[in-house]
Amino acid sequence: GENVEQHPSTLSVQEGDSAVIKCTYSDSASNYFPWYKQELGKGPQLIIDIRSNVGEKKDQRIAVTLNKTAKHFSLHITETQPEDSAVYFCAAPGAAGNKLTFGGGTRVLVKP
Amino acid sequence: GAVVSQHPSWVICKSGTSVKIECRSLDFQATTMFWYRQFPKQSLMLMATSNEGSKATYEQGVEKDKFLINHASLTLSTLTVTSAHPEDSSFYICSARRLPEGDTQYFGPGTRLTVL
Repeated sequence: GENVEQHPSTLSVQEGDSAVIKCTYSDSASNYFPWYKQELGKGPQLIIDIRSNVGEKKDQRIAVTLNKTAKHFSLHITETQPEDSAVYFCAAPGAAGNKLTFGGGTRVLVKP
Repeated sequence: GAVVSQHPSWVICKSGTSVKIECRSLDFQATTMFWYRQFPKQSLMLMATSNEGSKATYEQGVEKDKFLINHASLTLSTLTVTSAHPEDSSFYICSARRLPEGDTQYFGPGTRLTVL
């Protein structure tokens, strides 16, 4: 099955700085890569996703890049704000495509 | 759009009792729903895939007789934790896949289960 690794596990940044989270996946058949944000005590919220036919996607302050050759994708958050503090998860579906395997999560703390 | 609700949001029960958790897609139809369990400071672990009108597919190590899943309609799936024990205490989260996007999963707010 698919194996997704996520780094770093924790990330502390100063407000206004950028944050980058990286994920690698094992199954080259994976073709869809979502990112979720989870606040304490809540369910994960989809913030951005990318499909394998594009290399980059941007939505305001967040962007995701995909390198299919190297089998890794990254989340970029620019101009971080305190409300960006949360746990972020990446995921990939694997060959079957009917379920997601999640990375271990990154706890992001944005310091005012 | 793509709102998923769960009920209850939290529940406390005695050991040995059963608890039912509902997952509803409010503004779309979901032929497939997923149930996850999340322990504190850990990632989401898939328990089972629920398909409308058919039996759920359980992940390895998940007891199907303990975690009963029913997906009776395109907007409702239920998870029943039978004979709950303290080790079943966890955060249970469902997600639903919206057609025609297919692979995008939208998550519910989660249910905190505490077994005394």
